[in-house]
Amino acid sequence: QKEVEQDPGPLSVPEGAIVSLNCTYSNSAFQYFMWYRQYSRKGPELLMYTYSSGNKEDGRFTAQVDKSSKYISLFIRDSQPSDSATYLCAMSVGSYQKVTFGTGTKLQVIP
Amino acid sequence: EAGVTQFPSHSVIEKGQTVTLRCDPISGHDNLYWYRRVMGKEIKFLLHFVKESKQDESGMPNNRFLAERTGGTYSTLKVQPAELEDSGVYFCASSQALPGGDEQFFGPGTRLTVL
Repeated sequence: QKEVEQDPGPLSVPEGAIVSLNCTYSNSAFQYFMWYRQYSRKGPELLMYTYSSGNKEDGRFTAQVDKSSKYISLFIRDSQPSDSATYLCAMSVGSYQKVTFGTGTKLQVIP
Repeated sequence: EAGVTQFPSHSVIEKGQTVTLRCDPISGHDNLYWYRRVMGKEIKFLLHFVKESKQDESGMPNNRFLAERTGGTYSTLKVQPAELEDSGVYFCASSQALPGGDEQFFGPGTRLTVL
């Protein structure tokens, strides 16, 4: 069983839609939770970084962590064509430690 | 400020040959990580340097892989001899040592194809 499960998609939505991306994990030792965005032929870029359960908002992006259910989500409001990319959930046990990634969900926002 | 750079961007080699990948982290970043993504799979951790010391090399697949970080600046990852299953994208990331946690900044990756 993988430590982190993520639906690979692809997910196709119209411009302006609310997008929900999700991951589940099995290792209860994970304490840090991240969402990365990766454009084609580029490296992953950190979008959101959270430590505790609950919600964290940054502009159109909201990250949600539920440690009791081992479930994390990323919500994108008012999605734009420029949001089209692969979104990777990631987590680590502690600071300065290896990051464990999900497989990534490919998102396409159609104008 | 320059980001993490990797060289080459793409390498095509024959099975049995040697390839060396290079990563230049962001200046001042003591932490340097190597990750790999093989086709259809998730990005997986290979190893972590703190300055010139290997902090965690639990993800290195076998002894055909050798990573170095001389002087605590740039790092190289050598694959010798390369096998078909080594094909994939190799990412390097770096981070500062800051209280409260680190953000790992990723390079664009080196795409390795072993024929």
